[in-house]
Amino acid sequence: AQKITQTQPGMFVQEKEAVTLDCTYDTSDPSYGLFWYKQPSSGEMIFLIYQGSYDQQNATEGRYSLNFQKARKSANLVISASQLGDSAMYFCAMRGGGGSQGNLIFGKGTKLSVKP
Amino acid sequence: NAGVTQTPKFRVLKTGQSMTLLCAQDMNHEYMYWYRQDPGMGLRLIHYSVGEGTTAKGEVPDGYNVSRLKKQNFLLGLESAAPSQTSVYFCASSFDYGYTFGSGTRLTVV
Repeated sequence: AQKITQTQPGMFVQEKEAVTLDCTYDTSDPSYGLFWYKQPSSGEMIFLIYQGSYDQQNATEGRYSLNFQKARKSANLVISASQLGDSAMYFCAMRGGGGSQGNLIFGKGTKLSVKP
Repeated sequence: NAGVTQTPKFRVLKTGQSMTLLCAQDMNHEYMYWYRQDPGMGLRLIHYSVGEGTTAKGEVPDGYNVSRLKKQNFLLGLESAAPSQTSVYFCASSFDYGYTFGSGTRLTVV
């Protein structure tokens, strides 16, 4: 069965520093996609970054990068130069291939707090 | 640029009452989903649809029914609400690897 594990319920980071949010996954599908979403206190789900299982390079989007280590089945999110507005819940999610029909499976999330 | 619209945004129900949550998307997406979010649990899939007229069960389908009579709409029904169904409900639609979420419906069952 497919599974996403986020082991950090909460994290603190100083403003302007970098922070890494951990995500490990489990799947037997050779083709899959990994996502990170941000959920601020207002509640909406904001897409941050995507990594495909066959992508050769780690995905980057502005201050966000995904540290994809396929052999370790990890897909950590790195936020560089943290800002106060980065304080939010962060969810790692996976879309499997084959018969998954596009469903996203989510981890339990990590609450990030940025300190001024 | 509406994207995915959920109605209503908030609702309080009494135990045993029924209601329908409406999800509408204007992106012509085939796939649509209903998730619930509970504290400390992330988002869990209730039901999903791969096209007009089709529905399938997700991880936590008990107590819910869905219908997809029109491609753009995906309805989630609670026939007899229970306090355990107090949650935030998210609808989403997708095309390829692009997912769009609605802003959520906060449902409280008392």
